[in-house]
Amino acid sequence: AQSVTQPDIHITVSEGASLELRCNYSYGATPYLFWYVQSPGQGLQLLLKYFSGDTLVQGIKGFEAEFKRSQSSFNLRKPSVHWSDAAEYFCAVFPQAGTALIFGKGTTLSVSS
Amino acid sequence: EPEVTQTPSHQVTQMGQEVILRCVPISNHLYFYWYRQILGQKVEFLVSFYNNEISEKSEIFDDQFSVERPDGSNFTLKIRSTKLEDSAMYFCASKGQGLNTGELFFGEGSRLTVL
Repeated sequence: AQSVTQPDIHITVSEGASLELRCNYSYGATPYLFWYVQSPGQGLQLLLKYFSGDTLVQGIKGFEAEFKRSQSSFNLRKPSVHWSDAAEYFCAVFPQAGTALIFGKGTTLSVSS
Repeated sequence: EPEVTQTPSHQVTQMGQEVILRCVPISNHLYFYWYRQILGQKVEFLVSFYNNEISEKSEIFDDQFSVERPDGSNFTLKIRSTKLEDSAMYFCASKGQGLNTGELFFGEGSRLTVL
């Protein structure tokens, strides 16, 4: 079945440490890929997106993501996490020829001092 | 920068009442969407709308729900006879024409509380 999976429900990272949030998808053709961030009580902010080309994409707030076709993954990374990065992170996919953006269940990031 | 605006930001209603959530998409966009997020859960697709008709809907979008584009600027979600489980954040989104990459622009959401 077509799906987008975020295996980690909750991750805690020390401030200044590196971060990697995982996202895997299961679609016949590589979908278009997105990462969104949501602070408590707030809306959805687009961090970055991948359509084609260079498999390492840069986003806002120092985030990057790498598309790996062989692993059907689009993991989000940040080299040094700041306390303000604590939020909910959603991976989302838009299937080619699709009509709707489909979200993963999200990963809650906590940042410890 | 153009943005999607939603009203109201928060609405409290009694169970069984009808609610209309309003959205003003980005002006030259042609594809419109509603998503729902129950507190603490993932963002769920409800419906997509193009050319004055529903192009896709999820199983959540049953007869209780309807969408309308009553004029050239607004896009509304109506929930008839609200239930407690309709309490959620509802997000409107829009998308322009061009390459169908799925890049949606989201509003800030309307929080619905059903008592």
